[in-house]
Amino acid sequence: EDQVTQSPEALRLQEGESSSLNCSYTVSGLRGLFWYRQDPGKGPEFLFTLYSAGEEKEKERLKATLTKKESFLHITAPKPEDSATYLCAVPGISGSARQLTFGSGTQLTVLP
Amino acid sequence: SQTIHQWPATLVQPVGSPLSLECTVEGTSNPNLYWYRQAAGRGLQLLFYSVGIGQISSEVPQNLSASRPQDRQFILSSKKLLLSDSGFYLCACATGLDTEAFFGQGTRLTVV
Repeated sequence: EDQVTQSPEALRLQEGESSSLNCSYTVSGLRGLFWYRQDPGKGPEFLFTLYSAGEEKEKERLKATLTKKESFLHITAPKPEDSATYLCAVPGISGSARQLTFGSGTQLTVLP
Repeated sequence: SQTIHQWPATLVQPVGSPLSLECTVEGTSNPNLYWYRQAAGRGLQLLFYSVGIGQISSEVPQNLSASRPQDRQFILSSKKLLLSDSGFYLCACATGLDTEAFFGQGTRLTVV
């Protein structure tokens, strides 16, 4: 069965302190990996899709990368407004459903 | 791009009462629709998915049901709520089985 593991569970950074979030996955044939941002009490907001090892996507201070076993979300010089929970997900088969399998997320707090 | 409307944002219901949460989608036709539940600090659990009108698949045995009476309408229901039905419910939409999903803003359900 497909599995997605995110680490760390929580991360506190000072404003401007760059870091990376990890998403490791086990799937039978990767058909993409998605990153989402979720603010408290809100639905996840789609950020990136990565399809193949070596691919990179950027958006403002965020850069997502993909290898054959994991993905990283790099946050460069974060600001307090980057505080959120970041989720990654892979499409696959779980039980009888073709569905997205989500990790439990990394809760990022950026302190001013 | 798709817009997912989900309401209400919050709901407090007594045990044993019925439930109806509605989700409508704009900006796409014949989408795949999903209902997820998110427990605090945990990932998203798929409850139901639908690939077309009247086609509903369930991934977990539960006290809930879903219906899709129109192409872009997805409804989550219960005849009698349990305390364990409390949670954050999210409707999502995707154009294909292996594509990124877009989420509504969620409904926080508290059963008392």
